[in-house]
Amino acid sequence: AQSVTQPDIHITVSEGASLELRCNYSYGATPYLFWYVQSPGQGLQLLLKYFSGDTLVQGIKGFEAEFKRSQSSFNLRKPSVHWSDAAEYFCAVGAKAGTALIFGKGTTLSVSS
Amino acid sequence: EPEVTQTPSHQVTQMGQEVILRCVPISNHLYFYWYRQILGQKVEFLVSFYNNEISEKSEIFDDQFSVERPDGSNFTLKIRSTKLEDSAMYFCASSEVQGGEQYFGPGTRLTVT
Repeated sequence: AQSVTQPDIHITVSEGASLELRCNYSYGATPYLFWYVQSPGQGLQLLLKYFSGDTLVQGIKGFEAEFKRSQSSFNLRKPSVHWSDAAEYFCAVGAKAGTALIFGKGTTLSVSS
Repeated sequence: EPEVTQTPSHQVTQMGQEVILRCVPISNHLYFYWYRQILGQKVEFLVSFYNNEISEKSEIFDDQFSVERPDGSNFTLKIRSTKLEDSAMYFCASSEVQGGEQYFGPGTRLTVT
């Protein structure tokens, strides 16, 4: 069965520091992979997606993620975090385009000044 | 920028009552979804809908749940007889084509007392 693991429940980084949020997935074929962000009281906003091709994908707000098939990972990175990045981040996997997304439990990011 | 909207933002109901959660997907999208997030837990898929019929549903989506697209713009989720464990945030999503990313609404917080 498909599953997504986000090992870090809560991460705190200093403003201006780099960030990496981990995501591991379990799926038999090449998955469709997504990162969403949820600010308090808001819906889920898509940061970036991977369907195929270049394994390093760029997203909005300066985020990027790298698909590593050998490690079954799709980690999210940002070189310099801003206070406004404080939110909850969800990794998700889809079996094929347009079908149900399976979400991880999320990682809460806090940014300290 | 087009967005998915949901009403109401918060619904309080008594156990055993019927509730209808409403969503207006992005106008040119053809695939519609409902997800839920119980407080402190991961986002879970409920159902997807295309061409006026359910295309996929999860184990959560039992006979108490139904979906409908009553007109050209609305997409509804009905819970026939609510239980305490139905208390959650319910997200509607839509995608343009099968394969497109899913755009999420802000959610409806359902509280069953």
